[in-house]
Amino acid sequence: DVKVTQSSRYLVKRTGEKVFLECVQDMDHENMFWYRQDPGLGLRLIYFSYDVKMKEKGDIPEGYSVSREKKERFSLILESASTNQTSMYLCASTKGYPGGYYEQYFGPGTRLTVT
Amino acid sequence: AQKVTQAQTEISVVEKEDVTLDCVYETRDTTYYLFWYKQPPSGELVFLIRRNSFDEQNEISGRYSWNFQKSTSSFNFTITASQVVDSAVYFCALSGLYGQNFVFGPGTRLSVLP
Repeated sequence: DVKVTQSSRYLVKRTGEKVFLECVQDMDHENMFWYRQDPGLGLRLIYFSYDVKMKEKGDIPEGYSVSREKKERFSLILESASTNQTSMYLCASTKGYPGGYYEQYFGPGTRLTVT
Repeated sequence: AQKVTQAQTEISVVEKEDVTLDCVYETRDTTYYLFWYKQPPSGELVFLIRRNSFDEQNEISGRYSWNFQKSTSSFNFTITASQVVDSAVYFCALSGLYGQNFVFGPGTRLSVLP
């Protein structure tokens, strides 16, 4: 079974804190993605990576950065958390390049609350 | 820019009814892929089906069927004889050839009542 795991299911942080969300996949997938999910907006792509140390901006990268030092791990960083970053964060991975054909495998999500 | 519209925000049906979830997409790509995902109350999205832009054959899998029509840019999903376990949020998604243009619709919340 493909497994995508995320470091926390629930996280509460204060405004201005630096926040790290970790994602690990165990199927040697090339591509990894970070989304945020908000009611009525579906999933919006923040960043994706198609190889180690490679990253591409998605639709809403502002306020976020990412790191992919190892193939299996993709980290999302909120440099200075703000209340409008309160959301559900979903990590996904998929194999292959080009990656459009393959379905994405999702982690369970991290519900982040910024107070 | 790519876009996916799911006009139905929420649908409620009674068990054993048939239900169709609508999906309309926009893209300028000639090669693209359409997907449906299910997000049950547990939260983890699960892949249901993929179609590529060159294959307009409809597909049936058990109680699920999908109708892909390029002429209307639609990729609708029908559940026949719905069951309570079908209650979930369903997302339609669109990807270009290279995956970086992966776009999800806003989702349709389906509630199947016993």
